[in-house]
Amino acid sequence: DIQMTQSPSSLSASVGDSVTITCRASQSIRNSISWYQQKPGKAPNLLIYTASTLQSGVPSRFSGSGSGTDFSLTISSLQPEDSASYFCQQTYITPYIFGQGTKLEI
Amino acid sequence: QLQLQESGPGLVKPSETLSLTCTVSGDSISNDNHYWDWIRQSPGKGLEWIGNIYYTGITKYNPSLNSRVTMSVDTSKNQFSLRLTSVTAADTAVYYCAKHIGRLNWFDPWGRGILVTVSS
Repeated sequence: DIQMTQSPSSLSASVGDSVTITCRASQSIRNSISWYQQKPGKAPNLLIYTASTLQSGVPSRFSGSGSGTDFSLTISSLQPEDSASYFCQQTYITPYIFGQGTKLEI
Repeated sequence: QLQLQESGPGLVKPSETLSLTCTVSGDSISNDNHYWDWIRQSPGKGLEWIGNIYYTGITKYNPSLNSRVTMSVDTSKNQFSLRLTSVTAADTAVYYCAKHIGRLNWFDPWGRGILVTVSS
């Protein structure tokens, strides 16, 4: 299986700040990674796919980058509603593996 | 607008079988290139992909659960289902159904999820 190591597990930031969450794959997955946002009691919501493509309706302050084994999700100009958990997922091959998640507190 | 809704018992006894159904609305479960997935989330193991099914009945399961998982599809009801046998406390989780398209392999949308607790 391709493992996904996500960091940090939690972080705290202020409104207007910029934060970066990283995921490292245990082998190359090209650009086959997606990112999700999850708020308490809700299902994960797709933010980004193929490493950097923003899902329709997602604010442009969210961006993704990377290829091969190292990827990042950056949220700029943080808003209070960005307080949530964020997960990466490799979409390269089954079994599809998720990162352990990052809890972002604003 | 596509919506998915999980249903089934919220409590299952150890060693018994967990059975859940996902009802799809706003889209046909028989659409070409649409795959229907089950994913679960527990505090201990995070998000875990269980497997998926195509409307023809072709399935792909996570090898970690392969021997205990069966998925089925009912195109007349626009539903697909999950059975997980010989459950233990480790199978306690929120179970989600979701869709992915072809080789794109990301999940969107997801159902609201259903908490299943394994306990006597």
